[in-house]
Amino acid sequence: DGGITQSPKYLFRKEGQNVTLSCEQNLNHDAMYWYRQDPGQGLRLIYYSQIVNDFQKGDIAEGYSVSREKKESFPLTVTSAQKNPTAFYLCASSGTGTGGHEQFFGPGTRLTVL
Amino acid sequence: QKEVEQDPGPLSVPEGAIVSLNCTYSNSAFQYFMWYRQYSRKGPELLMYTYSSGNKEDGRFTAQVDKSSKYISLFIRDSQPSDSATYLCAAMDTGRRALTFGSGTRLQVQP
Repeated sequence: DGGITQSPKYLFRKEGQNVTLSCEQNLNHDAMYWYRQDPGQGLRLIYYSQIVNDFQKGDIAEGYSVSREKKESFPLTVTSAQKNPTAFYLCASSGTGTGGHEQFFGPGTRLTVL
Repeated sequence: QKEVEQDPGPLSVPEGAIVSLNCTYSNSAFQYFMWYRQYSRKGPELLMYTYSSGNKEDGRFTAQVDKSSKYISLFIRDSQPSDSATYLCAAMDTGRRALTFGSGTRLQVQP
């Protein structure tokens, strides 16, 4: 089955710790994205990558870092510099070129800071 | 002002009703528009995708985009209790190719 997987589903972090959220896709999509969702709010863009070994900051990149070493993988690290990291994190992917603007989402990772 | 505005609801309707969900946007560069359905604690599911102005129909769902008034709509016919979810509108410009979302409208369809 083609799709996007995110792990873990739930993650608990102590203050001052870095944590890494995993996102993998087998849709052969070039572009991948990370969004954050807070209760009662829409999704906000953290980072995106249109191609391997390249990525751009989104609207709320401070306190986060990413890498894109493989086409199918786009891990997100939430660093201790992120002031309010408790949120629902969603990974998405899409094709590129003249078509492929639809974005498809994974099931999400819920991060809680203790 | 947010680039995509959406009434948060909640919107409560009886089963079988026609539901109208709406968003407005301010960025004239937006060309692609999407509607997602999100159940509680789940990832968003793509419902409809529209390019520029016009209508698109898929089963019980119809998406409309009016670029002259910067207005996006989703209509759901014969609404079912299983349609109870949060509906998110989103828009994209061709430059950044990342979505800008509304805050979502929570819909409850009462049996």
